[in-house]
Amino acid sequence: EPEVTQTPSHQVTQMGQEVILRCVPISNHLYFYWYRQILGQKVEFLVSFYNNEISEKSEIFDDQFSVERPDGSNFTLKIRSTKLEDSAMYFCASSEEQGANGYTFGSGTRLTVV
Amino acid sequence: GEDVEQSLFLSVREGDSSVINCTYTDSSSTYLYWYKQEPGAGLQLLTYIFSNMDMKQDQRLTVLLNKKDKHLSLRIADTQTGDSAIYFCAESYLNSGYSTLTFGKGTMLLVSP
Repeated sequence: EPEVTQTPSHQVTQMGQEVILRCVPISNHLYFYWYRQILGQKVEFLVSFYNNEISEKSEIFDDQFSVERPDGSNFTLKIRSTKLEDSAMYFCASSEEQGANGYTFGSGTRLTVV
Repeated sequence: GEDVEQSLFLSVREGDSSVINCTYTDSSSTYLYWYKQEPGAGLQLLTYIFSNMDMKQDQRLTVLLNKKDKHLSLRIADTQTGDSAIYFCAESYLNSGYSTLTFGKGTMLLVSP
């Protein structure tokens, strides 16, 4: 069964450093998403991406965050200057059609900011 | 605002039924989902129901929706140790084209032999 692949599974970074989280969506999917889950809290929507542009973003997704689909296969989330409160599990998802019914999630990247 | 709440922990014995509960606040047309997360794995969609339905059954899983009380439940019949995981209730809304999900905190289900 096709999978959404996220790398790395765990990343530790120093506060203030830039970090890039990588995702390889399912190949025929057109809609891409990032969610995050701070330990002990809810899974929260960050951003959705379609046709090479952001279609929707939450309040969390401020100027420190950006997304890119650089080469037609990868979908990346960049945090420019990480803060301690960015420590979380970050989940990528993709879907073939618009709508959450067809989401496939990756296994997540655990980001620890020290 | 949109909010999804669920109890945090449930412990059952193997072979018993498990019932995981969730409440939501949005009253417009909506899809409601149950996801399962096993350790080290991603969020796996188990089932979903549209808000004009009362019930959906899929093998050992039964979803019940009480629209009046905005209450959603997931019943797992004949619970197995392999069902031990975190179960997330989630909702998507018409105003986002049903594209984005609002999750609860997750219910940890522990199944003992």
